[in-house]
Amino acid sequence: GESVGLHLPTLSVQEGDNSIINCAYSNSASDYFIWYKQESGKGPQFIIDIRSNMDKRQGQRVTVLLNKTVKHLSLQIAATQPGDSAVYFCAVPVPHTNAGKSTFGDGTTLTVKP
Amino acid sequence: GAVVSQHPSRVICKSGTSVKIECRSLDFQATTMFWYRQFPKQSLMLMATSNEGSKATYEQGVEKDKFLINHASLTLSTLTVTSAHPEDSSFYICSARERGTLRRYEQYFGPGTRLTVT
Repeated sequence: GESVGLHLPTLSVQEGDNSIINCAYSNSASDYFIWYKQESGKGPQFIIDIRSNMDKRQGQRVTVLLNKTVKHLSLQIAATQPGDSAVYFCAVPVPHTNAGKSTFGDGTTLTVKP
Repeated sequence: GAVVSQHPSRVICKSGTSVKIECRSLDFQATTMFWYRQFPKQSLMLMATSNEGSKATYEQGVEKDKFLINHASLTLSTLTVTSAHPEDSSFYICSARERGTLRRYEQYFGPGTRLTVT
């Protein structure tokens, strides 16, 4: 089955700096990738997604990069703010399913210091 | 739009009792809902997939007789933890897929329910 892992369980940055959170996946057939943000005591919140036919996608202050060669994706947050403090998960839907099942990575806890 | 609620947000129950958690899609119809559990500082683990009007599909290792799932309508799914034990204490999160969505992997998460079994 799919395994999804994150490189660092915690990340601490200074307010205003850029943050980079990394994720590795194992299934080369994976065709879609999602990043979620989970604040303490709440459910995950969709941030951004990317399809396997792309290598970069930008949103508001966030960018996702996908490297299919090494099966790696990253989430970049520009000008990190205290409100960005949360746990970030990458999720990889099970390929060729319509149920929308996803394998979630372990999560990186981002702490933003004022 | 696409709001999912859960009730209760927190529940404490005694060992041996059962507790029901509700998951509702407030402004859309959900043909599929998912139930996850999350232990402290860990990731989400899918427990089961619930389809409206049919039996839930459980992931390997999840006891279907212990975690009863009912998806009786297009806006409501319930998870009942039967004969709860302290090891069932966890954060339970549901998510829902909108009926007719063309986005195969889209799901909206609820805020979660913190279950503590004493």
